Amino acid sequence: ETGVTQTPRHLVMGMTNKKSLKCEQHLGHNAMYWYKQSAKKPLELMFVYNFKEQTENNSVPSRFSPECPNSSHLFLHLHTLQPEDSALYLCASSGGQGGYGYTFGSGTRLTVV
Amino acid sequence: ELKVEQNPLFLSMQEGKNYTIYCNYSTTSDRLYWYRQDPGKSLESLFVLLSNGAVKQEGRLMASLDTKARLSTLHITAAVHDLSATYFCAVSAFNDYKLSFGAGTTVTVRA
Repeated sequence: ETGVTQTPRHLVMGMTNKKSLKCEQHLGHNAMYWYKQSAKKPLELMFVYNFKEQTENNSVPSRFSPECPNSSHLFLHLHTLQPEDSALYLCASSGGQGGYGYTFGSGTRLTVV
Repeated sequence: ELKVEQNPLFLSMQEGKNYTIYCNYSTTSDRLYWYRQDPGKSLESLFVLLSNGAVKQEGRLMASLDTKARLSTLHITAAVHDLSATYFCAVSAFNDYKLSFGAGTTVTVRA
């Protein structure tokens, strides 16, 4: 158990579906992140939240909608996705200022059909 | 913008031999991290390097940091199959909590 829990581990969804990914951390961290990792591509930072406030959105399409109700929980709401959105979605958290690196969740393997 | 460059991006290793992965970064930093990712899995923290000259070792892996050269190395001694994975370095700029990741080095160890 890494301290950062992501659910579900696997998700298959149609292009017209709406689904949500969930991330939870009990490490007392202040910052949480969503990354996308496509096959044979570098990690892509999607969103950053610090103390529940979104501090970064790296030009992510609006079909991805993040939500951070508190410092322990982070969601990624998905709707009308495209097949090219199929990827491993990783959540991470860190201690904020001076924190020693990220702790990653196990990821959600998303397949859009 | 902080840029992190790893090389090589792909490394085919022969069992029993020694190899080095390099991580260069573009701006002043006092913290550098190495992560390992197995295929289809998440990233696992390997090392945290917090000062110039820092050296950390775990089994066959040794990481070092030269902040003046803006360079970290991950040295693999006597490679074994279990070390096959993708290795990422990540750096944070001074007073920034966010990390910038390198593209990763995919290591394959063959007999």
